[in-house]
Amino acid sequence: GQQVMQIPQYQHVQEGEDFTTYCNSSTTLSNIQWYKQRPGGHPVFLIQLVKSGEVKKQKRLTFQFGEAKKNSSLHITATQTTDVGTYFCAGPKNTGFQKLVFGTGTRLLVSP
Amino acid sequence: DAGVIQSPRHEVTEMGQEVTLRCKPISGHDYLFWYRQTMMRGLELLIYFNNNVPIDDSGMPEDRFSAKMPNASFSTLKIQPSEPRDSAVYFCASSFYRDSQPQHFGDGTRLSIL
Repeated sequence: GQQVMQIPQYQHVQEGEDFTTYCNSSTTLSNIQWYKQRPGGHPVFLIQLVKSGEVKKQKRLTFQFGEAKKNSSLHITATQTTDVGTYFCAGPKNTGFQKLVFGTGTRLLVSP
Repeated sequence: DAGVIQSPRHEVTEMGQEVTLRCKPISGHDYLFWYRQTMMRGLELLIYFNNNVPIDDSGMPEDRFSAKMPNASFSTLKIQPSEPRDSAVYFCASSFYRDSQPQHFGDGTRLSIL
């Protein structure tokens, strides 16, 4: 079945270091969404990418959608302790556009 | 604006008991989703509704699980009888009807079955 994998599973950085998580789908995606879940919290929508090769920025966060629309990445410049959490990518299921397949997630820990 | 509201926030009960989780979606949203999150299996979609009608329940693990949406502002997820392996965080989410609109999640219900 359709799978969305993320690497790494976990990363621990010092505050100020950069961080990148990669998302890979087994199938071509019409779009990709990114969510952040703080410890003990719920997933919160960050952004959606639709076009092949699209790049979007939100302050220190840069999101990319691959040319083949099968992969994506999230890069955080100069991490802060507020960036702590798990980052998920999610793509629509082939058979139902409202049904999302969530990636395995990357847990980020930032030490001050 | 109020977000997705779930109750209870925490539930601890003994194996074999019936558990009912509740969700109020964001007003005007056409889709409602129930997810389960565990360390081992991550975030799994259990079932989703469109305009109160169940569309896909292929993620419901067993017949012990059932979900209803009697109206646009209320949904329940029921487990009967509950088992220890059902312990997880259950999230409800809602979204507008359009291609792949962002999903808005509730705070979740942390369920522990002893």
